[in-house]
Parts: sequence; C-alpha cells; structure tokens
Amino acid sequence: AQKITQTQPGMFVQEKEAVTLDCTYDTSDPSYGLFWYKQPSSGEMIFLIYQGSYDQQNATEGRYSLNFQKARKSANLVISASQLGDSAMYFCAMSPKTSGTYKYIFGTGTRLKVLA
Amino acid sequence: DTAVSQTPKYLVTQMGNDKSIKCEQNLGHDTMYWYKQDSKKFLKIMFSYNNKELIINETVPNRFSPKSPDKAHLNLHINSLELGDSAVYFCASSLAGVILDTQYFGPGTRLTVL
Repeated sequence: AQKITQTQPGMFVQEKEAVTLDCTYDTSDPSYGLFWYKQPSSGEMIFLIYQGSYDQQNATEGRYSLNFQKARKSANLVISASQLGDSAMYFCAMSPKTSGTYKYIFGTGTRLKVLA
Repeated sequence: DTAVSQTPKYLVTQMGNDKSIKCEQNLGHDTMYWYKQDSKKFLKIMFSYNNKELIINETVPNRFSPKSPDKAHLNLHINSLELGDSAVYFCASSLAGVILDTQYFGPGTRLTVL
C-alpha cells in the first residue's frame, strides 16, 4: 500500500536552532517524488522542496533541506536557523504512479512551533 | 497576479443546498486537482483533470461533480450538501501531472454546512 507517515504530531524548536521533521513512506514503485509543504495558520499550502527517487543528491532550497534515505524510505525535512515565521503545519507528500497517473498522497502533518 | 485562485474563500450554507466552488490558474498548467482537508487537517485528493479530461476520480460521493470548461479552470459543484461535507477544499495545479511535478495550491475554500 502507498502510504506516508509523519510520526510527530507536534514539535517545538528554539528560534535560530535547526529542526528535523520526520517523514517515512511506503511504495513499491521504483519512481516517485517526495514533497514538503508548509501550511501556516492563514491556511494556504506553500510548496517548500521536492526530491525525486532517482536523485543522488539531497535537495536543498535556502534554509530547507531534504534528508533523503532511500533504503530507509525516509525523507526528513531539515529547517536550519528556525524563524518565528516557520511556525506552521508541515506536510510530507509522495507522488507514486497509480493507474498510469500521478497523485499526491499526504501525511498527517507535523505542527511546528518556533519559540522566541 | 495570483497563480491559483479560488472563490469563494468562505462558504456557509444549509444542509440540502447545492453550491459551487470556482478555481482558476494563470500558470499555463495542464493539470488541475481538487483536494479535501478535513477537520484533522488530513488532505486527500478528490479529482484531477488533465487538459479538461478527468484522470483521477477518487471514491467521492457522486454529489460532487467537477467541471473543467478549459484547462485554466476547474470548478466543483456539490449537490445536496451534508454536514460531513464541511471541510476546506483546495484547488491545485501542476504543469503536466507527471511524477516530479510540483503542485501549486489555491488559498482554499472553507465550507461550513449547518
């Protein structure tokens, strides 16, 4: 079964520190994409970063990096130098190929609170 | 110049009514989606259209009917609204609906059924 698991319902981090949000996935497809989105309290879904299953290097976008460990089927998001504005829900998503097309499967999310 | 827009942002209605949510994207994308986010924040895909053609139809009650008049628009019509339909509905779009396509989301429509 295709599944994304985020085991941390809530996390706290001190401002300026780094934080890792966990994401594990399950798929039998050899090709898939992994994505992270941020949902602040205002409700919109903001794309942060993606990783392809065949990418050799971990993806990075500014303060965000994706720690991709294919053998462990994990795609953890690392946020460096946390800021107060990073307080939000974070969703991990996977896009396996299903029935000839691609759709996102989302995890249940992790609520991150950055403390001043 | 909003990339993916939805109207209305909030929708409050009575049980049994019919309502529509509109979505438009100006990104030139071929694929559009509807997602439902429930009260526990869980996001699940409902429908996907590629170039006006339905390609994903999850197990959604047939009271929900998407319609894509052109590839820049994907509307969602809901008949006979029920209490359980209360949720936030997100529209999204992606370039071609392929594996590494990033999906860009609209601001969401919060539907409350009384």
